[in-house]
Amino acid sequence: KNEVEQSPQNLTAQEGEFITINCSYSVGISALHWLQQHPGGGIVSLFMLSSGKKKHGRLIATINIQEKHSSLHITASHPRDSAVYICASNFGNEKLTFGTGTRLTIIP
Amino acid sequence: NAGVMQNPRHLVRRRGQEARLRCSPMKGHSHVYWYRQLPEEGLKFMVYLQKENIIDESGMPKERFSAEFPKEGPSILRIQQVVRGDSAAYFCASSDGVNYGYTFGSGTRLTVV
Repeated sequence: KNEVEQSPQNLTAQEGEFITINCSYSVGISALHWLQQHPGGGIVSLFMLSSGKKKHGRLIATINIQEKHSSLHITASHPRDSAVYICASNFGNEKLTFGTGTRLTIIP
Repeated sequence: NAGVMQNPRHLVRRRGQEARLRCSPMKGHSHVYWYRQLPEEGLKFMVYLQKENIIDESGMPKERFSAEFPKEGPSILRIQQVVRGDSAAYFCASSDGVNYGYTFGSGTRLTVV
């Protein structure tokens, strides 16, 4: 069964802290996506990766294919990073299967 | 490049009415996907379309829901005889079908009263 699991479900941290959100998936994938959703807002694609590591500003995404695991890191977190972060996978086809999301709150 | 355009942003319908949600894909994209996000739940796949063809509708309820992506114009997700349980955010995404890169729209928030 194609499944995506995220942890933690909720995460509260102080401004400036280093943040890690984890994602694991059940079987081989074609691509792994990290998405961001602000309350009541649309969905923004942050990263798509199938191997290794990608960096964009303060955001870093890594994936370990052998362990079927990906992480999203935020360095020097800021209150504007508060959002829901969603991991999603393509299991060999075009449609995405989503994790349940991690609600991140950064306190000033 | 306006990205993926969804309208309306908010839609209120009474039980039994029809809801029509529109999605114009990003320029150059011919693949459209509809996803539903029920309150306090994760996103779920509904349907995948290419121009004039439904490729995968495995996530779409068998009754009352239909989708199309005509040769000209936006993709339409149609919900007939809406019920309160249809209240959700409906997101559209598009891609060029070459790799797995997607662009999402801002969503349509449907409220059934």
